[in-house]
Amino acid sequence: GESVGLHLPTLSVQEGDNSIINCAYSNSASDYFIWYKQESGKGPQFIIDIRSNMDKRQGQRVTVLLNKTVKHLSLQIAATQPGDSAVYFCAENEYGNKLVFGAGTILRVKS
Amino acid sequence: GAGVSQSPRYKVAKRGQDVALRCDPISGHVSLFWYQQALGQGPEFLTYFQNEAQLDKSGLPSDRFFAERPEGSVSTLKIQRTQQEDSAVYLCASSLAPDTQYFGPGTRLTVL
Repeated sequence: GESVGLHLPTLSVQEGDNSIINCAYSNSASDYFIWYKQESGKGPQFIIDIRSNMDKRQGQRVTVLLNKTVKHLSLQIAATQPGDSAVYFCAENEYGNKLVFGAGTILRVKS
Repeated sequence: GAGVSQSPRYKVAKRGQDVALRCDPISGHVSLFWYQQALGQGPEFLTYFQNEAQLDKSGLPSDRFFAERPEGSVSTLKIQRTQQEDSAVYLCASSLAPDTQYFGPGTRLTVL
């Protein structure tokens, strides 16, 4: 299928290694942040979220870190698998309304 | 349970034609959003409904774009007199709570 992100930054990792994907957000008033995974030909898939009153949240194999001082989010994926290969977007949400998406990062997992 | 569904999945239109894209949200989700995703970019907000009320249409790029959700469930995004720059993937998302939005697979529109 057609690639979602032809001109996005790419992170290449070896299968089994940990991945860290970074994102800078723009609105200091945003109170909710989400990471989405998008595979080619599909819509964005929810991975994990975090509210502005937290600085860390863990899920299954994923951790999101929020640094409000520098308006920075990161997504850590433990023991990266080939099925993790996709485009990853962070998104910010102000007042429970529209999402504003970051530029996206392509994650490629090498077997 | 069923997720957000969109139809058609692919649409090819000649420049100047009108198109209608349909979104079926997750049952019970009061909020519905439309986004446009150009190739190689993240989704960009178009419009937002809470039940049948369109609360924000600030992202609609021109008056050729129109969205409706008359009964508070299914929504239709209509684009009149399509132009080549309208070619994109149109994504629909729905949410129950004010925050977490769940996306459908999108409709890929190609305008020739």
